[in-house]
Amino acid sequence: ETGVTQTPRHLVMGMTNKKSLKCEQHLGHNAMYWYKQSAKKPLELMFVYNFKEQTENNSVPSRFSPECPNSSHLFLHLHTLQPEDSALYLCASSQDGRGKDTEAFFGQGTRLTVV
Amino acid sequence: DAKTTQPTSMDCAEGRAANLPCNHSTISGNEYVYWYRQIHSQGPQYIIHGLKNNETNEMASLIITEDRKSSTLILPHATLRDTAVYYCIVRRDNYGQNFVFGPGTRLSVLP
Repeated sequence: ETGVTQTPRHLVMGMTNKKSLKCEQHLGHNAMYWYKQSAKKPLELMFVYNFKEQTENNSVPSRFSPECPNSSHLFLHLHTLQPEDSALYLCASSQDGRGKDTEAFFGQGTRLTVV
Repeated sequence: DAKTTQPTSMDCAEGRAANLPCNHSTISGNEYVYWYRQIHSQGPQYIIHGLKNNETNEMASLIITEDRKSSTLILPHATLRDTAVYYCIVRRDNYGQNFVFGPGTRLSVLP
């Protein structure tokens, strides 16, 4: 248990569906991240939120839409996805700023399959 | 953030120490070295991090060379459950710095 919870753990969706991934952290952190991991590839950073503001968008297609309503919750809204978007989607949080305790903690991920 | 270089894969006998190297020759003075591991299809797990001094915790030891251009993660008594991909990351501790993952080292602990 890392203190970062992702739901659902598995999701199968059609290309015309709209779904959302949820991430919640119970660590009091001020930064949250979405990563994508395709099969046999390294983690790719998608979005970063610091103090609820989006600070990074790594050229992610608009069919992925993040939302950070508060510093404890992060959503990834999905619509009109493609089969190549099938991947493990990972959420992480960290306490940004100077100091020693700045490591990121990850959730267990959502395994997404687009059919 | 500085780039890191790690071997693609390594084997280690169960019960022996696993020594995983990482080169970060362009590391800046205020960049920390972080280690994570990822067991198949799970989220990455934080292991340890350090700036200059060697660090030890219940999972591993981190040895950083004096010039800080390389480091070694040591798992003192590897078990089969330590089989995973290990990632070495360098990152400043300032606001807004991201965790950027490379391909890592696939460690196989053999019985």
